[in-house]
Amino acid sequence: GQQVMQIPQYQHVQEGEDFTTYCNSSTTLSNIQWYKQRPGGHPVFLIQLVKSGEVKKQKRLTFQFGEAKKNSSLHITATQTTDVGTYFCAVDYGGATNKLIFGTGTLLAVQP
Amino acid sequence: EPEVTQTPSHQVTQMGQEVILRCVPISNHLYFYWYRQILGQKVEFLVSFYNNEISEKSEIFDDQFSVERPDGSNFTLKIRSTKLEDSAMYFCASRVLLGTEAFFGQGTRLTVV
Repeated sequence: GQQVMQIPQYQHVQEGEDFTTYCNSSTTLSNIQWYKQRPGGHPVFLIQLVKSGEVKKQKRLTFQFGEAKKNSSLHITATQTTDVGTYFCAVDYGGATNKLIFGTGTLLAVQP
Repeated sequence: EPEVTQTPSHQVTQMGQEVILRCVPISNHLYFYWYRQILGQKVEFLVSFYNNEISEKSEIFDDQFSVERPDGSNFTLKIRSTKLEDSAMYFCASRVLLGTEAFFGQGTRLTVV
């Protein structure tokens, strides 16, 4: 089946440090979504990217869609303890299959 | 704010027993999903559902699994004969259109003993 890889699998940072997670697909994507799952919680939608090279910001979070629409990144500036959780990219295959496939996820731990 | 609701929050069952996990998607949503997450692992796609039929199912979704939307509001996942490896968190999700955000329920933690 379709695989969407994320790296790193796990990252431990000191509060105030930056963090980046990368999402890679072998196929060209129509769009990509990002979700956050707090420990013990459910995935919550953060953002969707559609255009090649698109960059979107949400406060300290910066999301980017690659020029070839095969990869994406999420960068957090000056992490806070509230950023703790697993960040997933999700690929919307849409069409007749109506599939939304999640990446492998990156678990972020923030030490105060 | 509208939300996806799932019941029960936790289900413990004997191996070989049937379980039904229930979900009430957001009322104007048209696309429905079940996902499974084994502790600490990725969110795995099980099945997508639209217009009262399955759109796509993964390799995990074998003959032991079935989904139904019996009454226009509930969306259920049935596992006919549970196995130990079915123990996981099961999430229901819905969205109004393709290409829009998916809203997830709080999940049902299934423990097979």
